[in-house]
Amino acid sequence: QKEVEQNSGPLSVPEGAIASLNCTYSDRGSQSFFWYRQYSGKSPELIMFIYSNGDKEDGRFTAQLNKASQYVSLLIRDSQPSDSATYLCAVYSGGSNYKLTFGKGTLLTVNP
Amino acid sequence: NAGVTQTPKFQVLKTGQSMTLQCAQDMNHNSMYWYRQDPGMGLRLIYYSASEGTTDKGEVPNGYNVSRLNKREFSLRLESAAPSQTSVYFCASTGAGGSPLHFGNGTRLTVT
Repeated sequence: QKEVEQNSGPLSVPEGAIASLNCTYSDRGSQSFFWYRQYSGKSPELIMFIYSNGDKEDGRFTAQLNKASQYVSLLIRDSQPSDSATYLCAVYSGGSNYKLTFGKGTLLTVNP
Repeated sequence: NAGVTQTPKFQVLKTGQSMTLQCAQDMNHNSMYWYRQDPGMGLRLIYYSASEGTTDKGEVPNGYNVSRLNKREFSLRLESAAPSQTSVYFCASTGAGGSPLHFGNGTRLTVT
């Protein structure tokens, strides 16, 4: 059973701070990694994806991947109250089945 | 550009009733998925279709059937609804393995 683990939170940070969200995965052969944001009552929306070791930046968001440690993280700089949501980590393990495994999500609250 | 469209948005069923959840995508994606989301459980894969003409079981397929009607449409059927199937159901699609999933807006199903 391929597993994706996230701290369920809630993670609470003040406005303007850096929020750090973490995810570990069990399948060492995993190839693609995604971060989705989900507001309450809404569907998940993609905010970042990363395929290679290292950092990938997009605006206030940075995804970090360390395949040796089987660890992927999401940093949100200058956090805003509008960033308050559940963040889902998802991992694609390759092969022909095209299945994405999701973590249970981390609830982030940004306090004004 | 509609993306992934799910119908209905809300549904209430009585135990033992049947219904079909509809999903259509207009992005010419090959792969389509049905997930359910329950509090504290994250997104769990029910069934998926890697390509037109194929369907496979996911993590929680019991009590469900699917039909990949054509490349655009992937339906989920509950033959005899049970209270344990009360959940939010999401349809998603992707063009290729390892690419991000695009989600529909979800169907909130209550079985009494």
